Amino acid sequence: NAGVTQTPKFRVLKTGQSMTLLCAQDMNHEYMYWYRQDPGMGLRLIHYSVGEGTTAKGEVPDGYNVSRLKKQNFLLGLESAAPSQTSVYFCASSFEDYQPQHFGDGTRLSIL
Amino acid sequence: DQQVKQNSPSLSVQEGRISILNCDYTNSMFDYFLWYKKYPAEGPTFLISISSIKDKNEDGRFTVFLNKSAKHLSLHIVPSQPGDSAVYFCAASARTNAGKSTFGDGTTLTVKP
Repeated sequence: NAGVTQTPKFRVLKTGQSMTLLCAQDMNHEYMYWYRQDPGMGLRLIHYSVGEGTTAKGEVPDGYNVSRLKKQNFLLGLESAAPSQTSVYFCASSFEDYQPQHFGDGTRLSIL
Repeated sequence: DQQVKQNSPSLSVQEGRISILNCDYTNSMFDYFLWYKKYPAEGPTFLISISSIKDKNEDGRFTVFLNKSAKHLSLHIVPSQPGDSAVYFCAASARTNAGKSTFGDGTTLTVKP
């Protein structure tokens, strides 16, 4: 029972490089979310999706893009990485709103 | 303006005693509240929730209390165990915000044997 799987777990990028973080869930959840967590802070919502083919901006969307082409996958892209995007990124999913979210174990991203 | 605040960054208690973690919110539209627990190098896991129509919800050693007039909720852990040592996040949702959760900054609980 995998739940929510994030790939990769760690990555180091240089400023200006691009990359895509992959999130996959096997619970047939409609809602998926991308958060970032910085030291000493809570989770801040970057983008979210309420179903296949939909995406919406969260609290801190600038510098990120997302896609939800398949219900089970939610991709987070950084087109031109900046040091300010150094963070731990968490993906989550839920069956619907007002339901507890299931989280992956995070991707630790460092941008030099 | 932070809408969900956990004013105590850390809390240390003795094994067997009660742990009380607090959370305050400012948005009166919040109507569903959750607590998550997070161990190092893992994602948060759901612990317990409460709807605004209730003032208490209990699940084993964990009880959440909601005081709507004070815009305050608390998580009680009785008795505390060393395995409860983790970061605890309070989160709040509002139907007017499509049910998205707003998280506090977390409280690190240490339970000493």
